[in-house]
Amino acid sequence: DTGVSQDPRHKITKRGQNVTFRCDPISEHNRLYWYRQTLGQGPEFLTYFQNEAQLEKSRLLSDRFSAERPKGSFSTLEIQRTEQGDSAMYLCASSLRTGGNTEAFFGQGTRLTVV
Amino acid sequence: SQQGEEDPQALSIQEGENATMNCSYKTSINNLQWYRQNSGRGLVHLILIRSNEREKHSGRLRVTLDTSKKSSSLLITASRAADTASYFCATDPGNGNQFYFGTGTSLTVIP
Repeated sequence: DTGVSQDPRHKITKRGQNVTFRCDPISEHNRLYWYRQTLGQGPEFLTYFQNEAQLEKSRLLSDRFSAERPKGSFSTLEIQRTEQGDSAMYLCASSLRTGGNTEAFFGQGTRLTVV
Repeated sequence: SQQGEEDPQALSIQEGENATMNCSYKTSINNLQWYRQNSGRGLVHLILIRSNEREKHSGRLRVTLDTSKKSSSLLITASRAADTASYFCATDPGNGNQFYFGTGTSLTVIP
């Protein structure tokens, strides 16, 4: 499978616990994004990496959230001290900018439920 | 905040009919992309239209873009039950650093 891969697909955690999600982008893509989507809404931008550099972060990314992309390959998104409001689908996307346009491809997402 | 807005929010049609969804956005863009999302799944990339393009086709999909009105439409011809999903437009303001999504159109195709 050469698409964007996310793991795990589902995560149920107790409030206050830490969780970590992984994203493996399409191999030749140098750009990687994290989005969050709640029920009935469109995806909301969280953060963006170009290679290993985290270049943009949304104000939605509170200090309990941290994302990394070591070596510019896979990425992890960690949420510390989870809250019920963190329950959402977390989507990862990757892209390769060509000809001034960027076509982003998404993974299947990780659905987080905080109980 | 989300820049795009899809219209209608929900659409129900019979199999074989055409489905049209509209997207309006607020600021200038470099391109606009349409995605499909089946319930509880990830987003599937459908088509990208550049700001200097007015129309683009891919199979049963036809996308138009009117940058003067800051709007785009997605037409699905000869719909099938498998087209049942939510459809989102996403705008790229220019640098590809982030994409702005609307709240989506929920399409139901009745067999």
